[in-house]
Amino acid sequence: DSGVTQTPKHLITATGQRVTLRCSPRSGDLSVYWYQQSLDQGLQFLIQYYNGEERAKGNILERFSAQQFPDLHSELNLSSLELGDSALYFCASSVGTQGFQETQYFGPGTRLLVL
Amino acid sequence: SQQGEEDPQALSIQEGENATMNCSYKTSINNLQWYRQNSGRGLVHLILIRSNEREKHSGRLRVTLDTSKKSSSLLITASRAADTASYFCATVLYGNNRLAFGKGNQVVVIP
Repeated sequence: DSGVTQTPKHLITATGQRVTLRCSPRSGDLSVYWYQQSLDQGLQFLIQYYNGEERAKGNILERFSAQQFPDLHSELNLSSLELGDSALYFCASSVGTQGFQETQYFGPGTRLLVL
Repeated sequence: SQQGEEDPQALSIQEGENATMNCSYKTSINNLQWYRQNSGRGLVHLILIRSNEREKHSGRLRVTLDTSKKSSSLLITASRAADTASYFCATVLYGNNRLAFGKGNQVVVIP
C-alpha cells in the first residue's frame, strides 16, 4: 500500500459526459501528479501540482483540468468525454521539494470506461 | 514518440534465473527511473539513477546507465514468481519538467 488513495476505482460513463477523479496523497506529500495509461498511448504524464499550484504540464487535453485543494487532495476533471478517453488514470504523490528527481508513490488508479 | 524504449518487450524465465531488460532513449536526460506494475495496478518505483551515475543496486536489482549509448539496463537476480510484472523505464529530460515512460516490458517468472 503506497498511502495514495484514489476514488472511484471504476467509472463507467457515456460520451459527452463529465467526471471527476479524486486523489489523496500520502501524508506529508505536497506534490501530486496525474497520469493516463491506455493501450495505444501507454503511460503519459498529464499534470503536476505542488502545494496547490500547477507546477508542470504534460500531455493534458484542454477538455481535462485539475486542481489541488488546501488539504492537498487533488481532483482531475474530464469533460466532453470521448471513447478514446477510456483508460486507467493514476495519481502519484511525492514530498515535492525536488520534483521529478524524487520517488513518486502511485495510487491504485481509477479505471474509466467511456461508452 | 516514447522517450524510453524497453527491449525486449516480453521475457519469460524460470524462477531463480536472472532477468535483464534494456531501455534506450534519444536525448540527454537528468535521470532515469525504473518502475514495476503488477497486472493493471499502480506503479511501484524501483530505482532512480542520475545522469552522472553509472550503476546502482537495490536488493536484487541492479541498474546501469550508459549515457554515451543513451541506454540503461535493469537486472533482476534470482528471480521469483512475485517478480512477474511489467517493468517501465522513465526518463526526466534536461529542461523538460516531466516524466516520459517507455512502453513497458512484460516479465513472466515461471515457478
